[in-house]
Amino acid sequence: NAGVTQTPKFQVLKTGQSMTLQCAQDMNHNSMYWYRQDPGMGLRLIYYSASEGTTDKGEVPNGYNVSRLNKREFSLRLESAAPSQTSVYFCASTQDRGLWGTEAFFGQGTRLTVV
Amino acid sequence: RKEVEQDPGPFNVPEGATVAFNCTYSNSASQSFFWYRQDCRKEPKLLMSVYSSGNEDGRFTAQLNRASQYISLLIRDSKLSDSATYLCVVNIYSGNTPLVFGKGTRLSVIA
Repeated sequence: NAGVTQTPKFQVLKTGQSMTLQCAQDMNHNSMYWYRQDPGMGLRLIYYSASEGTTDKGEVPNGYNVSRLNKREFSLRLESAAPSQTSVYFCASTQDRGLWGTEAFFGQGTRLTVV
Repeated sequence: RKEVEQDPGPFNVPEGATVAFNCTYSNSASQSFFWYRQDCRKEPKLLMSVYSSGNEDGRFTAQLNRASQYISLLIRDSKLSDSATYLCVVNIYSGNTPLVFGKGTRLSVIA
């Protein structure tokens, strides 16, 4: 049972390069998210998708774009990487658990360094 | 004011100690509450949900005080394996809306 799968796990980019982080979940969840985590800042939401075909900005969307390709896949694109985007990126998905709320399942993370 | 605030930590405690973490949230419409655990260089994972009546799972007890907008996590008889960062998480609705994470409190249990 794979859960949430992110690729790649590590990446080094030069300033100005572009790349796409891939995320796929096999739990038939409706909602998917991209977070970044920096020391002392906690997890910050970049973009989320409440359902297939919809995307919304989170707290820190600048410099990123997303695509909800289908129910399973949600990709994050950096068009022109900057050193400030050096971070650990987590993809997550949720399925409402009714009265008790929503549990999030995370991918293993992508450690991105922009030099 | 941040939406979710936690004790800054780090907490360094000996094995067997009892330790408590606190968390406050600013949005009174918040309905779902959780504690997540994150090990070093790993992804966060759900530790336990927090119910209005309070709930216990082995050595872990979570409490919710809606009037004070306050959540707590108590760990009894700390183990070395409890060393991790504990994240307080709040959701405004029970549907598929973004979860808001606290910055986390780091716990180190020392032999």
